[in-house]
Amino acid sequence: AQSVTQPDIHITVSEGASLELRCNYSYGATPYLFWYVQSPGQGLQLLLKYFSGDTLVQGIKGFEAEFKRSQSSFNLRKPSVHWSDAAEYFCAVGALKEGSRLTFGEGTQLTVNP
Amino acid sequence: EAGVVQSPRYKIIEKKQPVAFWCNPISGHNTLYWYLQNLGQGPELLIRYENEEAVDDSQLPKDRFSAERLKGVDSTLKIQPAELGDSAVYLCASSSGGANEQYFGPGTRLTVT
Repeated sequence: AQSVTQPDIHITVSEGASLELRCNYSYGATPYLFWYVQSPGQGLQLLLKYFSGDTLVQGIKGFEAEFKRSQSSFNLRKPSVHWSDAAEYFCAVGALKEGSRLTFGEGTQLTVNP
Repeated sequence: EAGVVQSPRYKIIEKKQPVAFWCNPISGHNTLYWYLQNLGQGPELLIRYENEEAVDDSQLPKDRFSAERLKGVDSTLKIQPAELGDSAVYLCASSSGGANEQYFGPGTRLTVT
């Protein structure tokens, strides 16, 4: 069974500071990995995804993530956080074939101080 | 292009009452998902449809929950009767391919009193 752990429930950073959100996964085969963002009262928006190839993937809004198979991790990073980045961030793992279920982590709530 | 549409956005009902949620996926998406999101947690899959067929409903509490996707487009999720513990956000998502790239609607926030 696949699982995702996001060790940090809540993170606070200052605007302009760098950000790293941690994600560890467990899956028996090559995973598909995703980061989604959810603002209050909104659905989830896909930030980026990893399927194969280059382990450093670029996403929208200046986010990037690095897949490290040896550490079973897929951490999300941003070099300079904006106040509008305050939201909840979810890491998810999926199977290779189309339509298979996504398993989400419990999320990390990001607060950005001015 | 319109995104995934869900209605209602908010619903308050008394326990033991029935409730239904509606989802219109992105045009052309043959895969539709219903997720349950409890407060402070990530979404959990309830059911997945490929066109009209429910292909993964192992997490759906079938004693009180039901779903349908007529004509392989819109879908309805129903709870009857609702319990206090059903208070949550119900998310609908759709996909057309690209290996699990799912697009989510805004969700329906259900409060059972």
